[in-house]
Amino acid sequence: DIHVTQSPSTLSASLGDRVTITCRASQSISIWLAWYQQKPGMAPKLLIYKASNLQSGVPSRFSGSGSGTEFTLTISSLQPDDFATYYCLQYYTWAFGQGTKVEIK
Amino acid sequence: EVRLVQSGAEVKQPGESLRISCQGSGYRFNTYWIAWVRQTPGKGLEWMGIIYPGDSETRYSPSFQGQVTFSADKFIDTAYLHWSSLKTSDTAMYYCARNGDDKPFDSWGQGTLVSVPS
Repeated sequence: DIHVTQSPSTLSASLGDRVTITCRASQSISIWLAWYQQKPGMAPKLLIYKASNLQSGVPSRFSGSGSGTEFTLTISSLQPDDFATYYCLQYYTWAFGQGTKVEIK
Repeated sequence: EVRLVQSGAEVKQPGESLRISCQGSGYRFNTYWIAWVRQTPGKGLEWMGIIYPGDSETRYSPSFQGQVTFSADKFIDTAYLHWSSLKTSDTAMYYCARNGDDKPFDSWGQGTLVSVPS
């Protein structure tokens, strides 16, 4: 099994902050990593696929990078709508990260 | 517009059987894999497995193999998740999601809450 370790589990930030979330895979997964945003009571929403491809309709302040075992999701300037929980998914063998809750500082 | 609509919340007793559904619309349902994802407060999101409605080929996560069964009826664009004997630990929200072209889980159902009180 290829595990993914996501960090941090919680992140406190202010409007306008640059925010970075990291996922590390236990083995190389090439670029088979996606990022999702989930708000309370809602299904997750795809943000990024193949590590760095922005899903249609997602604001450009979201970006993804990385390959192999280390990946990051960056929000360039945090907006009110961005306070949510974020998950990575490695879809080489299918496993989610543990999630990162982005809270208001 | 791609849509996945899941069946409503269920409350069951331990040992009972249950089948929940996920109906697709707005795309060729038979040609995209459908995944099932469990969400619990303690464990976040868990990939349960995947089914191809066109021929009902299935792949299960080792954690869920033997615990649940996936099926699909391609004539009514619906996928199913089935338990033969529920446990209290099956209490969770269950989502179906479409595996898109190069895009994993690009569309999700609204979720089905399954409660199995002790």
